[in-house]
Amino acid sequence: DSGVTQTPKHLITATGQRVTLRCSPRSGDLSVYWYQQSLDQGLQFLIQYYNGEERAKGNILERFSAQQFPDLHSELNLSSLELGDSALYFCASSVGGDRVFNYGYTFGSGTRLTVV
Amino acid sequence: DAKTTQPNSMESNEEEPVHLPCNHSTISGTDYIHWYRQLPSQGPEYVIHGLTSNVNNRMASLAIAEDRKSSTLILHRATLRDAAVYYCILREIRGYSTLTFGKGTMLLVSP
Repeated sequence: DSGVTQTPKHLITATGQRVTLRCSPRSGDLSVYWYQQSLDQGLQFLIQYYNGEERAKGNILERFSAQQFPDLHSELNLSSLELGDSALYFCASSVGGDRVFNYGYTFGSGTRLTVV
Repeated sequence: DAKTTQPNSMESNEEEPVHLPCNHSTISGTDYIHWYRQLPSQGPEYVIHGLTSNVNNRMASLAIAEDRKSSTLILHRATLRDAAVYYCILREIRGYSTLTFGKGTMLLVSP
């Protein structure tokens, strides 16, 4: 157990639907990162939050959004789902802030999303 | 982000040392060298990181060239559990920098 909790582990849904993926960071970590991993694209950075504020954006589609709540857990919302959104979605956490270079990321075990 | 170049795959025998190379010729003075690995069906796992000096921890050693244009992750005795994709990543020292994963090296370990 890495300390980063992601739910659900598996999700099967239909095209056009909306889903929410949840992540609880490791205790004491203020930064949360979301990554998407598909077979053809590898690990793609989506978005980062630090203590409730958005800090960096990667290749995140407009149909996707995220937020980090006061208790530091984060949710990734995926809407108008397409077949191509089928992938593993990983959440990671770190201490964050100005001390990033001294700490690595801790990843969760991921949510496998299948869009049918 | 500065880029890294790694071999697509490498093979090793169990209990032998493994040297995983990484080239990063465009590295800047403020880039840390990070290594992560991803076991099958799991999220990536932090292995080690360094700036200029060689580093050791319980998982591995990191040897950094004097000009910092290349580095080598050393697994002293490979086990079957070390079979994974290993990613060499440059991460800027400034705050809020993120990790950008490349394709990594798939390490195969034979009994």
